[in-house]
Amino acid sequence: NAGVTQTPKFQVLKTGQSMTLQCAQDMNHEYMSWYRQDPGMGLRLIHYSVGAGITDQGEVPNGYNVSRSTTEDFPLRLLSAAPSQTSVYFCASKPTGNYGYTFGSGTRLTVV
Amino acid sequence: AQSVTQPDIHITVSEGASLELRCNYSYGATPYLFWYVQSPGQGLQLLLKYFSGDTLVQGIKGFEAEFKRSQSSFNLRKPSVHWSDAAEYFCAVGVYDYKLSFGAGTTVTVRA
Repeated sequence: NAGVTQTPKFQVLKTGQSMTLQCAQDMNHEYMSWYRQDPGMGLRLIHYSVGAGITDQGEVPNGYNVSRSTTEDFPLRLLSAAPSQTSVYFCASKPTGNYGYTFGSGTRLTVV
Repeated sequence: AQSVTQPDIHITVSEGASLELRCNYSYGATPYLFWYVQSPGQGLQLLLKYFSGDTLVQGIKGFEAEFKRSQSSFNLRKPSVHWSDAAEYFCAVGVYDYKLSFGAGTTVTVRA
């Protein structure tokens, strides 16, 4: 039982490049979310999913796309990277019911 | 829109002393309430949650939190801190338990 696995752990991108941050969970959780963490701002919700095939926008969705074709995977796509997207990205999942999220260990992204 | 305020950016406490971290939220109804802890370079770990019922909730690592509806607060406490409690603590609030807003965090330093 690996929990929530995020890859890569570190990434450097050039402005304008695209990439996908991977997130996979092996707990059969229905709900998954992507957050970004910036100093002094806590975590801000980018996108979330309430089940396979269903996604919705969070607080800061611009510049990011998601899809949820399976229960296990919830990739986050950066369409055209900008320096403002330099951040630590966390993926999280939770089951149905009164439970909190389980977080991955994060991806530290730098856009130069 | 809901919002979460953690008034204290940084708290220093002596080992063995008590700790209280403040969290205030802005929302018309009673939201779902959570406290998470993040050690340096790690993901977030759930300490405790409040959904309904008893307003004093117990969590892991000896932490507890009290929900006060009249004050829109959900403060986290620990009677006696250990050096391993040095970390960043986040309060999170949600209308739905799968769509959370996080506070900016409180960094706790423990001095010997």
